[in-house]
Amino acid sequence: KQEVTQIPAALSVPEGENLVLNCSFTDSAIYNLQWFRQDPGKGLTSLLLIQSSQREQTSGRLNASLDKSSGRSTLYIAASQPGDSATYLCAVIEGTSYDKVIFGPGTSLSVIP
Amino acid sequence: DAGITQSPRHKVTETGTPVTLRCHQTENHRYMYWYRQDPGHGLRLIHYSYGVKDTDKGEVSDGYSVSRSKTEDFLLTLESATSSQTSVYFCAITPFKGETQYFGPGTRLLVL
Repeated sequence: KQEVTQIPAALSVPEGENLVLNCSFTDSAIYNLQWFRQDPGKGLTSLLLIQSSQREQTSGRLNASLDKSSGRSTLYIAASQPGDSATYLCAVIEGTSYDKVIFGPGTSLSVIP
Repeated sequence: DAGITQSPRHKVTETGTPVTLRCHQTENHRYMYWYRQDPGHGLRLIHYSYGVKDTDKGEVSDGYSVSRSKTEDFLLTLESATSSQTSVYFCAITPFKGETQYFGPGTRLLVL
C-alpha cells in the first residue's frame, strides 16, 4: 500500500531564506507527483506537477524534483516571503489505476518577516 | 481558478440525520472526487466519478454514497451522520486521469 510522508511537519524560517521541503513515497510505481499549497481554511492550490518521466519542474521561485528510484521529491522555495506561509502537501497518483491520489500529511511553513 | 463551488460551506447537524453535500463545476471536467481532511490523517479519498452515473469507491467510503446525474454536479450523501464524519470535505475535478486536480473551497461539517 502506497504511503506518503513529509518531513518536517512544521518549519519556521526568517524571510529571504531558501528552504527545502521533503516528500517520500513507498512505492516507486507512480504516474506523477504533485505539490499543493493550502492556506488556513481554504482548499488546495496546485503548485507543480511532475510526470514520472520527468526529473524536475520549475515555476517562479519554486522548483520541485523527483527521484522515483529512491521514492523522494523535494520542493525548493527560493527567497522565501511571508506570503509563502501555508501548508504544503505532496501527493502521488498511483501508476496502475491513475485514479487514486495519495496525499502526504503536509508541512506547515511559517515565514517570519 | 477552476470553477468549482461547494454547498453548503458550513453545516451543523445531529447524529442520525441525513446530509447531502453538493459539488458544482463549470469546467465540464469528466473526473470528480470527494475527499475528507482530518488532523492526523490528511486528505483521504471517499468516492470518485469518471463520468455521468459512473462512480467508484475510494479509501474511506463506508457510510457515504454519491450520485452524479449531470456532468456538473457530484453529490455526497451521509445517509445517517455519525460524529466520526465530522470533518472538512473537499471536492476536486480534473479533465483527464492523472492530471492536476483542482479543488473546491471545502465544506466544514460538524455532527453533534
